Amino acid sequence: GAVVSQHPSWVICKSGTSVKIECRSLDFQATTMFWYRQFPKQSLMLMATSNEGSKATYEQGVEKDKFLINHASLTLSTLTVTSAHPEDSSFYICSAHGGTGEAFFGQGTRLTVV
Amino acid sequence: DAKTTQPPSMDCAEGRAANLPCNHSTISGNEYVYWYRQIHSQGPQYIIHGLKNNETNEMASLIITEDRKSSTLILPHATLRDTAVYYCIVRVAGGNQGGKLIFGQGTELSVKP
Repeated sequence: GAVVSQHPSWVICKSGTSVKIECRSLDFQATTMFWYRQFPKQSLMLMATSNEGSKATYEQGVEKDKFLINHASLTLSTLTVTSAHPEDSSFYICSAHGGTGEAFFGQGTRLTVV
Repeated sequence: DAKTTQPPSMDCAEGRAANLPCNHSTISGNEYVYWYRQIHSQGPQYIIHGLKNNETNEMASLIITEDRKSSTLILPHATLRDTAVYYCIVRVAGGNQGGKLIFGQGTELSVKP
């Protein structure tokens, strides 16, 4: 199946700093990518839909100024967690849809804010 | 909100078939049933999807009832590596806004030796 690569796999940052997470579709073009967040023992929660060349669409309750999404090309979307705080510590996962409709997920990024 | 309900957990003996049920009584005519699984601390992995006919691939079989209100994912010979959380999701196929995946709580499958 198609491959979606996420980088970094894990990151530790200080409170107040910003962290950028990259999501790449390696062997297909993705006009739409999705960003999820997952807390321990919980399911994935959709944060936003990333659209190539246009603004992202955020789910209710997700702060667009805190979670900046950029989808500048058909193979790359980035999520920047700005002014991170310990409560932002979570597992962040991206996905992109292949030509036949199934979604392919990155391996996830474990963010720890200290 | 997720449009599916699944049992929170199931056990299965290694080598036996694992049958994971899912209820989706409010599914629309243009919505597919998708199954994904997530092994601890990894991204979800696509398993299979279907509209109304039963489907089979190298990983699993998907049985959808005639009224499409429920389905069953079958892992024919479960192994220890199949231990994971299995998610049943209904969505419109396609990569646009309408095709986003909304995850429910899933079923935590434990395959035991």
